Amino acid sequence: AQSVTQLGSHVSVSEGALVLLRCNYSSSVPPYLFWYVQYPNQGLQLLLKYTSAATLVKGINGFEAEFKKSETSFHLTKPSAHMSDAAEYFCAVSGNTGFQKLVFGTGTRLLVSP
Amino acid sequence: GAGVSQSPSNKVTEKGKDVELRCDPISGHTALYWYRQSLGQGLEFLIYFQGNSAPDKSGLPSDRFSAERTGGSVSTLTIQRTQQEDSAVYLCASSYTHSNQPQHFGDGTRLSIL
Repeated sequence: AQSVTQLGSHVSVSEGALVLLRCNYSSSVPPYLFWYVQYPNQGLQLLLKYTSAATLVKGINGFEAEFKKSETSFHLTKPSAHMSDAAEYFCAVSGNTGFQKLVFGTGTRLLVSP
Repeated sequence: GAGVSQSPSNKVTEKGKDVELRCDPISGHTALYWYRQSLGQGLEFLIYFQGNSAPDKSGLPSDRFSAERTGGSVSTLTIQRTQQEDSAVYLCASSYTHSNQPQHFGDGTRLSIL
C-alpha cells in the first residue's frame, strides 16, 4: 500500500522568499515520486519526478526536490518565489513496475504575496 | 493537438441521467488513466487501461461507473443514473508504457449534478 502526506494545506510566502512544500510518503515497494502543479480550471502539470536515479531532482520553473529514503520525504523547494508560482501543488507516489496508478496527497495551496 | 484532450469541459445534468465523458490521449501513449477530483475526497484513481484492456478497475466507486477504450486510443467514462455525490472534476491522463514515464493530464471535465 502507498500513501502520501502533505503537511500544510496552505503555505504563504512573499515574492522572492524560499518556497518549501513538504511531502512524506509511505510505500511497501521502492517508490517513484512526483510533484504536479495545478492552476485554476486546468489539469495537472508535471513539475518533476524521482525514478530511482539521482536523489536530487530538478524540475521546471526553478523547482527541485530531494528524495530522502531515511526520512521518507520528497520535499519541494524553490529558492525564490514568483507571483506566477501561486497554485496548488500535489505530491504523488506510485510503484516502480509496470503500469502504476498515482496516489496523491491532499495538496498544498501556495499563496505568494508581493 | 499535442496534449490530452477531454470533452466536454463542463457538463451539467439532472440527477438520474446518464453522462459520457470523453478522453483523447496523446498519440502513442499506451496507458490511459481516469481520476476524479472532488472537494471531499481529493484526487482519486478510478481506472486504467493498457491498450484496450483495463487491468485495474479498483477505483470505480460503484457499478454505475464504467469505462471503455477503443482502438488503443479514445476512452469514454460513463456514469449511469447520476447522483449528486458524482459531482466532481474527472481527469484523464496518458503515458508511455513504463511507470517511470510521467502521466500527462488533460484539463478535465467538470461534472455538476443538479
